[in-house]
Amino acid sequence: DTAVSQTPKYLVTQMGNDKSIKCEQNLGHDTMYWYKQDSKKFLKIMFSYNNKELIINETVPNRFSPKSPDKAHLNLHINSLELGDSAVYFCASSQDRVSVSEQYFGPGTRLTVT
Amino acid sequence: AQSVTQLGSHVSVSEGALVLLRCNYSSSVPPYLFWYVQYPNQGLQLLLKYTSAATLVKGINGFEAEFKKSETSFHLTKPSAHMSDAAEYFCAVSWLVGATNKLIFGTGTLLAVQP
Repeated sequence: DTAVSQTPKYLVTQMGNDKSIKCEQNLGHDTMYWYKQDSKKFLKIMFSYNNKELIINETVPNRFSPKSPDKAHLNLHINSLELGDSAVYFCASSQDRVSVSEQYFGPGTRLTVT
Repeated sequence: AQSVTQLGSHVSVSEGALVLLRCNYSSSVPPYLFWYVQYPNQGLQLLLKYTSAATLVKGINGFEAEFKKSETSFHLTKPSAHMSDAAEYFCAVSWLVGATNKLIFGTGTLLAVQP
């Protein structure tokens, strides 16, 4: 069983469209994250949720809206896609928000905006 | 603010040679440090972590790292490189921001292993 799964794995879309990426973890973790990895492989945190509550919200355009229907799921919706949104988006989870436990990463979603 | 610097965006070694990937951190409080590996088209996988216990940390696949406070370093080593070690390696530092642990990644080092 995959610990952290993401769908879709690849997403190709045109500028101006709206798209969603889904993430699910079956580890029983309380905390989930979204990261963006750019073309230079730089990884930056975007959001973090703990038990459905938003706890980290970095300086991300408000076109990006995370949603956590329950603690096992964290989805990312992106409105009005722009060329600069092209990247690999990783979902991750950790046991909780405080303990220094490792983060488990999903396989990534490669978003290409044309 | 906490940060990590990885020296060398590309490192190339021969199969069987020593692997040394450098990571220096900046932290005003005792840091928690991690090394992650990313194989092509995959997510990140934890290699090892330092959480203020032993300064020499052993990880998976024969990798280890030594925490040196005096040098603010956490370099990753492996005595003998294998072709399967070719991947991108990320050093990361974690600290509490408010009531939440936040992970900050370095810019990564791409390891190439030559036959």
